[in-house]
This record gives sequence, C-alpha cells and structure tokens, in this order.
Amino acid sequence: DAGVIQSPRHEVTEMGQEVTLRCKPISGHDYLFWYRQTMMRGLELLIYFNNNVPIDDSGMPEDRFSAKMPNASFSTLKIQPSEPRDSAVYFCASRQGRAFQETQYFGPGTRLLVL
Amino acid sequence: GQQLNQSPQSMFIQEGEDVSMNCTSSSIFNTWLWYKQEPGEGPVLLIALYKAGELTSNGRLTAQFGITRKDSFLNISASIPSDVGIYFCAGQIPLDTGANNLFFGTGTRLTVIP
Repeated sequence: DAGVIQSPRHEVTEMGQEVTLRCKPISGHDYLFWYRQTMMRGLELLIYFNNNVPIDDSGMPEDRFSAKMPNASFSTLKIQPSEPRDSAVYFCASRQGRAFQETQYFGPGTRLLVL
Repeated sequence: GQQLNQSPQSMFIQEGEDVSMNCTSSSIFNTWLWYKQEPGEGPVLLIALYKAGELTSNGRLTAQFGITRKDSFLNISASIPSDVGIYFCAGQIPLDTGANNLFFGTGTRLTVIP
C-alpha cells in the first residue's frame, strides 16, 4: 500500500489567497483526520471524518477553514482567505475501524507558508 | 483537551548510548503509542501498547504502558545515527462520536553524535 498521500508537499502563497490541501487515505480506512503542526502548539487535531461524514470539527480554528470528503478516497482542507498565522505543516491521517487496536497512519504532510 | 507531558524535550547523545524518554498524563488512556517523526515527514508509528503494565519491544526499542494507565516510557538501546528525529508519545481513548481520541505529547528531539 502506498500509505496516506498528500499534495502538494509544499505550498507558498500570499496572504488573502485561497489554499487547498489534498489527501488520499489508505484504501479501506474509514476514518480520516486532519492535523496541524506548529512549533508553538505541536500536533493539533482540526477535524475528522467517519465514512466521509464530518464527526468532530471543534479543532477547526475559524470559519476560514473548511474540509470536505466527497468520497472514501479523497479529502480536501481549504483555507480562504489565508493568513500568515496559518503557516504550519498540515497532516492527514487515516485509520480502519473503531477497535482500540487500530490506530492512525500519517501522510508526509503539506508545508504551508503564507507570506 | 488532555495534556501529555513528555520529557526530556531534547537529548544529545553519543552513538552507542542508550536513550530513555517518558510521557505522563493526568488522564487515563487505554492505548499508548510512540511515533517517530523525521525531517520533512509525518509521524510514523513505532510501538503500540494496549494493556496496563505491558512491556513491548521492537528491535532496539522497548516501551512500557504504566500500570496506572497515565504514563509510558520508551527506551532505545545502542543508539545509531539514524535514530535522529523527534519522538512523540500519544495517548488514545476509544473513538466516540464527536470526540477526539488521540492526544500527542510535545515531543523529544533526539540528536545522535557519531
């Protein structure tokens, strides 16, 4: 299996622009998670989906952030408009099922820099 | 959310030395996990612990799930240069509708000097 795939790996944009991050989870995994990692706050959960349905979006910082999962193999995280404080590494992770033995597998991340 | 205190924050060691790091929490977890993150990559799962008191090894890595279910440690024996990275502990609780289930420590940055 190719693992969790994220694109782009790096993104540099200007303040006010729209940014779209993409994720393909591991095939067969029914949970998908979006995290943000910064030096100050570490790894923070933004939102997670189960069977393409958003379950908990309490970590989404503001209305400027939105996430969708139109099908089992694709999800997007969108920031509109972007701000310099959104600069971070954004990770997507997926897992299979609710059993406690299952855990999350992370993608390589998208490094976002907003100027 | 739950706070996980991980220590030390960073370590500089000589190649061949053993390494020990730990994680404590005020909350009980039913699973403890240890991840390693290398530069430019996402966290990769190293070891998962499912039972209080469990001691598990994966090559040169050994981890234990504390009997109180509020702590865990990770040991690396005979360190090598490729052990360099940031090690994160994570506590996991059952997935529940509307709730986060995986909480990360602040990380231990390991540097191995050849």
